[in-house]
Amino acid sequence: GAVVSQHPSRVICKSGTSVKIECRSLDFQATTMFWYRQFPKQSLMLMATSNEGSKATYEQGVEKDKFLINHASLTLSTLTVTSAHPEDSSFYICSAREVLKPGNTIYFGEGSWLTVV
Amino acid sequence: GEDVEQSLFLSVREGDSSVINCTYTDSSSTYLYWYKQEPGAGLQLLTYIFSNMDMKQDQRLTVLLNKKDKHLSLRIADTQTGDSAIYFCADPPHQAGTALIFGKGTTLSVSS
Repeated sequence: GAVVSQHPSRVICKSGTSVKIECRSLDFQATTMFWYRQFPKQSLMLMATSNEGSKATYEQGVEKDKFLINHASLTLSTLTVTSAHPEDSSFYICSAREVLKPGNTIYFGEGSWLTVV
Repeated sequence: GEDVEQSLFLSVREGDSSVINCTYTDSSSTYLYWYKQEPGAGLQLLTYIFSNMDMKQDQRLTVLLNKKDKHLSLRIADTQTGDSAIYFCADPPHQAGTALIFGKGTTLSVSS
């Protein structure tokens, strides 16, 4: 089946620094990728929709300048958390839509644990 | 806006059947999905059902859809300890290119 890969799976960074998380669709092209954030024992919260070749669409309450999203190719989207703070520590998950599958099936990456110290 | 509701916890014994329920509000959905999330991992697509179907069976999994009541359920037969996870039902909004709307997830705990 289709595979979405995220990297890194775990990252620890110092407060004030920036960290980049990559999301790749390995065996299909994804014109649309989604970034979610998940707090412990809670559901996924959609942060933004990433469209290849255009600006991302952010959900209400998500700071565009803090969570930079780039979707430079049909197989890669990146999320950069800028000037990270401890409250940004969370589980970040990306997903990609495989448009040629029934139901435009959406597959998820394995997630990235971000800890800001 | 669209909403998806699930019960938060379910506890069963190994070998029993588990039934996880979900209600949704967007009646225009073409497909509805079930995802599984194991501790510390991403989401794994378990199965999906086309909206013109009432039932879909896939090995130990049975999905039932009551479109009139906007109710979706996932039955896991012969539940195993490895089935312990959080299960999310997800409803795609009718607008193409938009993200799934998730329920809060049902934590399934299987005891031996």
